[in-house]
Amino acid sequence: SAVISQKPSRDICQRGTSLTIQCQVDSQVTMMFWYRQQPGQSLTLIATANQGSEATYESGFVIDKFPISRPNLTFSTLTVSNLSPEDSSIYLCSVGGGNSYEQYFGPGTRLTVT
Amino acid sequence: GESVGLHLPTLSVQEGDNSIINCAYSNSASDYFIWYKQESGKGPQFIIDIRSNMDKRQGQRVTVLLNKTVKHLSLQIAATQPGDSAVYFCAENENTGNQFYFGTGTSLTVIP
Repeated sequence: SAVISQKPSRDICQRGTSLTIQCQVDSQVTMMFWYRQQPGQSLTLIATANQGSEATYESGFVIDKFPISRPNLTFSTLTVSNLSPEDSSIYLCSVGGGNSYEQYFGPGTRLTVT
Repeated sequence: GESVGLHLPTLSVQEGDNSIINCAYSNSASDYFIWYKQESGKGPQFIIDIRSNMDKRQGQRVTVLLNKTVKHLSLQIAATQPGDSAVYFCAENENTGNQFYFGTGTSLTVIP
């Protein structure tokens, strides 16, 4: 399985600012995904980040609020813009694709908006 | 009044007993499923997967059962240990781009 790291591991941000989360994988992967996990809840898919094309967003998530970059096959960033307290969550990246459907997750970034 | 957030179902078992965690999935077109374990402060960890052409798959101390007729998955953990305490999620894949959709989750507590 791939080894996935995220930066930062946690942050406290003020309302109205933005936070960019980095996801680094130790091998080249076709597909990367970004999820949100609100406190005490399950994971919700935000978007699929494919290298060389624009991210595909799930219903309820828009590019202006959650811009994503995927400059190469080992790296992606998710920005959470114009932060409000409702954005306080854990944000997780995952990787998948290739020869199997297995999907593996990073450790997550815990965001608190004050 | 109605609570705003979801509350995870909980399951408590004695150490050494077997655990069964259930999951209902929503999409009859889903053809691949994964069970994940999430410990506090960590990302979900892959446990076991199953394809829709199977109804049972076994791993080390874990077994996943799939009933496509009623769209139901279960995860059985044999001889549950304190280290098994975590939240368990099932995730379904619609075979349209590797996107997974997660169930509500179940919080398992193992009592020593």
